[in-house]
Amino acid sequence: QKEVEQDPGPLSVPEGAIVSLNCTYSNSAFQYFMWYRQYSRKGPELLMYTYSSGNKEDGRFTAQVDKSSKYISLFIRDSQPSDSATYLCAKERYNTDKLIFGTGTRLQVFP
Amino acid sequence: DTEVTQTPKHLVMGMTNKKSLKCEQHMGHRAMYWYKQKAKKPPELMFVYSYEKLSINESVPSRFSPECPNSSLLNLHLHALQPEDSALYLCASSHISQGANVLTFGAGSRLTVL
Repeated sequence: QKEVEQDPGPLSVPEGAIVSLNCTYSNSAFQYFMWYRQYSRKGPELLMYTYSSGNKEDGRFTAQVDKSSKYISLFIRDSQPSDSATYLCAKERYNTDKLIFGTGTRLQVFP
Repeated sequence: DTEVTQTPKHLVMGMTNKKSLKCEQHMGHRAMYWYKQKAKKPPELMFVYSYEKLSINESVPSRFSPECPNSSLLNLHLHALQPEDSALYLCASSHISQGANVLTFGAGSRLTVL
C-alpha cells in the first residue's frame, strides 16, 4: 500500500464551482501535510501546509486533516480557470527530510 | 531572491555523453534536493543534501552523481544515461517554517536521452 494515495482524476468543473481534492495516507509516522500545485511544465509550488486536525484557510483555499480516518482534503471555492493544474498532496515522514507525494489530481476549470 | 534557479531548462544527450544539471538558491536554505518526475507521475526523491552533506540517497543508480559545492549550489552529474532516464529533474531547497520543512522547487530541467 502506498503511503499517500490520491485519485488522479482528471477532474473537470465549471468556473465558480467548489472543488474538493482528497488524499488518504497509511503511515501515521508523519509531521505535516502539504498541498502543492503544479502547472504544466513547471515545478510544484506550495499552496498550504497543516499539522493538526481541523481546517486551515487561506483565501479561496481550505485544507482539512482528519487524523482519525487518515484523510486530508483541499477545498477550492469559486474556482477559476487559472486554478487548472495538478494538485499534489504530500506528507513529511517523521524526523526526516523526506516528503512523500501522492500521485496528483489533474484539475480543469472551464469558463 | 526567493527562487530556486535551474539550468539548463532543456537538455538532450546521447547515452555516451557526460553532462551536468545545475541548481542555485540564495535564500540561505539548509537543505537541497533532487527529484525526478516522469510524465503524469509525482516527483520521486533522488538525493538530499543537508548542510552540504549528502543525507539521503534513494538507491539511485551511479550514473547519477550529485555534488554540493557550497550551501547555495547543487549539481547533478549525468553519465552513460539510458533513454528511460528521460524526465523532468527538479531541484528544491527547504527551510523550517512553524515546525514544517517547507520545500521551494525550481522550474526543472527537462532531460531527453537519445
